[in-house]
Amino acid sequence: DAGVTQSPTHLIKTRGQQVTLRCSPKSGHDTVSWYQQALGQGPQFIFQYYEEEERQRGNFPDRFSGHQFPNYSSELNVNALLLGDSALYLCASKVKALAGSSEQYFGPGTRLTVT
Amino acid sequence: LAKTTQPISMDSYEGQEVNITCSHNNIATNDYITWYQQFPSQGPRFIIQGYKTKVTNEVASLFIPADRKSSTLSLPRVSLSDTAVYYCLVGDSRNTGGFKTIFGAGTRLFVKA
Repeated sequence: DAGVTQSPTHLIKTRGQQVTLRCSPKSGHDTVSWYQQALGQGPQFIFQYYEEEERQRGNFPDRFSGHQFPNYSSELNVNALLLGDSALYLCASKVKALAGSSEQYFGPGTRLTVT
Repeated sequence: LAKTTQPISMDSYEGQEVNITCSHNNIATNDYITWYQQFPSQGPRFIIQGYKTKVTNEVASLFIPADRKSSTLSLPRVSLSDTAVYYCLVGDSRNTGGFKTIFGAGTRLFVKA
């Protein structure tokens, strides 16, 4: 049973460019969340997708957008990259059913470096 | 959103039991308490989750008092490989259509030989 997978593992971009990160959830999971983790800090919630719609959003600008496909996989897009966007981007999946539960399964992350 | 407070760091020695306490005074009725472990440059890994009293699995125990305003993660006989950051979270079920998962700064556990 494959866990959460993310691609690419590493990425180097230049300021002002755009980037797309991809995530495939764990088998049987229908909800995908994205997080940004700067060095030495805890993961910061970006947004969550369920039934192909954004359901919750953290305190991130509109430059951060996403999409969920019918097979539950998801993409995170970041436009007009800034140096401060350099971070580990984590994708997590869960089954929506359990109300109040924080149990999620995380992928290995994509390390984005903006120069 | 329920906020959690936990110690910034802890040191221990191999073979000792480690207890990490988390405060969550504003926990909601439907919220669960969940702990994650994270190694450098990896995604967090689910350790244990509970609602009340005590939960035990093969790697840890979680103690939750009756008022649920705090919880304690107990790691029995830690080894060097348990050196990691441990996050305490509470599930925010109060937003319809989904909920956010809020990570704090976590507790950096350093296990020494």
